[in-house]
Amino acid sequence: DQQVKQNSPSLSVQEGRISILNCDYTNSMFDYFLWYKKYPAEGPTFLISISSIKDKNEDGRFTVFLNKSAKHLSLHIVPSQPGDSAVYFCAASANKLTFGKGTLLTVNP
Amino acid sequence: NAGVMQNPRHLVRRRGQEARLRCSPMKGHSHVYWYRQLPEEGLKFMVYLQKENIIDESGMPKERFSAEFPKEGPSILRIQQVVRGDSAAYFCASSPRTGDRYEQYFGPGTRLTVT
Repeated sequence: DQQVKQNSPSLSVQEGRISILNCDYTNSMFDYFLWYKKYPAEGPTFLISISSIKDKNEDGRFTVFLNKSAKHLSLHIVPSQPGDSAVYFCAASANKLTFGKGTLLTVNP
Repeated sequence: NAGVMQNPRHLVRRRGQEARLRCSPMKGHSHVYWYRQLPEEGLKFMVYLQKENIIDESGMPKERFSAEFPKEGPSILRIQQVVRGDSAAYFCASSPRTGDRYEQYFGPGTRLTVT
């Protein structure tokens, strides 16, 4: 039973435009959410997080939005850059991290 | 400050052999987590350890898998009598604290291939 779902396996975006990556979860006990970025043959790198008491957190080009009633979060990257091309994992925490399957983002020059 | 170190980066074992994967957490981190990533899948939690203690092993297969984090030295994930289905990338992460608000820092992973 997948508690964290990333329904889009891949996303392709033009450089300079907005990238929106989506994530849905089912477990109401999750109270902290994170996004990780992963390049091939490397470990995931922490990107940004949000507590369940907030609905938005911003860090430079990256913004995470949380809609608790819909059990949905999204990561916005503006403007997108070719170096952002990677697999993005959504993760949710109750007392341990549960990861989605990831979305491969390709930013085309 | 060195990041999380894992070795070996690649490990090839024949069916029935033992695999030992090592993880050195970031300096100052006393919490270690192991994850497994199968092809086309996300990372799956296996075990959470503190020094000399297993805190949560709910994601570990009941047989053949064990983990330790001794007082001195790296954390070890041990897989006995490996089978082809054990082929995966194994990632270790560390954090300086536990609780509701924390980030885990990941190592580069060990890619295990069972032939």
